[in-house]
Amino acid sequence: EDQVTQSPEALRLQEGESSSLNCSYTVSGLRGLFWYRQDPGKGPEFLFTLYSAGEEKEKERLKATLTKKESFLHITAPKPEDSATYLCAVRDSGAGSYQLTFGKGTKLSVIP
Amino acid sequence: NAGVTQTPKFRILKIGQSMTLQCTQDMNHNYMYWYRQDPGMGLKLIYYSVGAGITDKGEVPNGYNVSRSTTEDFPLRLELAAPSQTSVYFCASRTGTGDNQPQHFGDGTRLSIL
Repeated sequence: EDQVTQSPEALRLQEGESSSLNCSYTVSGLRGLFWYRQDPGKGPEFLFTLYSAGEEKEKERLKATLTKKESFLHITAPKPEDSATYLCAVRDSGAGSYQLTFGKGTKLSVIP
Repeated sequence: NAGVTQTPKFRILKIGQSMTLQCTQDMNHNYMYWYRQDPGMGLKLIYYSVGAGITDKGEVPNGYNVSRSTTEDFPLRLELAAPSQTSVYFCASRTGTGDNQPQHFGDGTRLSIL
């Protein structure tokens, strides 16, 4: 059974204080790891897709990296507007119809 | 570009009532999905569809039904509402080809069963 574990559950940062969120996964064969951002009262918003170990993607202050067992979402010099819940999801090679297994998320709060 | 639209945004039901959650997308996506999100839990897949006329169960299908008569619409039906179905429901869609295509989500329906 696919498992996705995100840590920490919640993270409070001062504005400008860089940090990383972790997503560890167990799948039979990875066909994609997805990062989403979710604001309160909204649906998840797509950020990145990663496929193979060593791959990196960047968008503004966010950088996602991937190893064979986990992914990190690095946040550099965060701003209050980066406050959100960040979700990680994986697609297993055995999962039909592009189904995803989601983690529980990390709630990030950036304090001015 | 509307993307994925869900209605209603909020609803309160009494135990035993029925209702349909609406989901429509204007991106001509073949694949559509229904999830529920409970506090402190990850998104759980209820049902999905690979195209008009084709649906299948996800991880937590009990108590729900779906239909897919058109590419655009994928309604979710609750026949006999139970308190355990209090949740936030999200609909998502994706294009039919390519591993790198993400699922796109609507903004959810917040449902309370009292």
